[in-house]
Amino acid sequence: DTEVTQTPKHLVMGMTNKKSLKCEQHMGHRAMYWYKQKAKKPPELMFVYSYEKLSINESVPSRFSPECPNSSLLNLHLHALQPEDSALYLCASSQGDRVSYNEQFFGPGTRLTVL
Amino acid sequence: DQQVKQNSPSLSVQEGRISILNCDYTNSMFDYFLWYKKYPAEGPTFLISISSIKDKNEDGRFTVFLNKSAKHLSLHIVPSQPGDSAVYFCAASFRGSQGNLIFGKGTKLSVKP
Repeated sequence: DTEVTQTPKHLVMGMTNKKSLKCEQHMGHRAMYWYKQKAKKPPELMFVYSYEKLSINESVPSRFSPECPNSSLLNLHLHALQPEDSALYLCASSQGDRVSYNEQFFGPGTRLTVL
Repeated sequence: DQQVKQNSPSLSVQEGRISILNCDYTNSMFDYFLWYKKYPAEGPTFLISISSIKDKNEDGRFTVFLNKSAKHLSLHIVPSQPGDSAVYFCAASFRGSQGNLIFGKGTKLSVKP
């Protein structure tokens, strides 16, 4: 299995809602990532989990809360989002050793719209 | 300020010819560079990478060239095929960054039959 899966594919939520994005991989990768991509912009790193511990938080607002329940799963909990948070949210994974941190496998993304 | 720049938003090439996608970077600390390909409604797919200790890496139809003095890298695709039509992202990282990839804005390649 060489896939990273993400659910849901699309999500529409109001500013007062609480929702979660889910990501799963079964490649034995020990590093997992959340990226945000706005239209016509490159992906921007939000969080990195390495061996189930949060290792990088790129100054992301607290309305985004990541969680890594185990080495195969990564969640992103959303609460009180703003319309400008509407974007494609990409999950990625990599082996997690020094060299192959960089060769990341991406999921198809969740298209989030905040009304 | 963008650390990784892809100055051509789009490129159109005839099938069978060479496609050359360019990327410039500003941070001399970058020591690893990657190219990703992205189709609509899919996540980016890793294509090829190069370490800063090399100046060329080849994988089938894809070759990446690195010119450290010019802080420039390029991706050559030869021969180009219609299935190569996609957005190509250049990305860079540095030692110890734990996978913090800095992406360029992407170049949309169209290969015409």
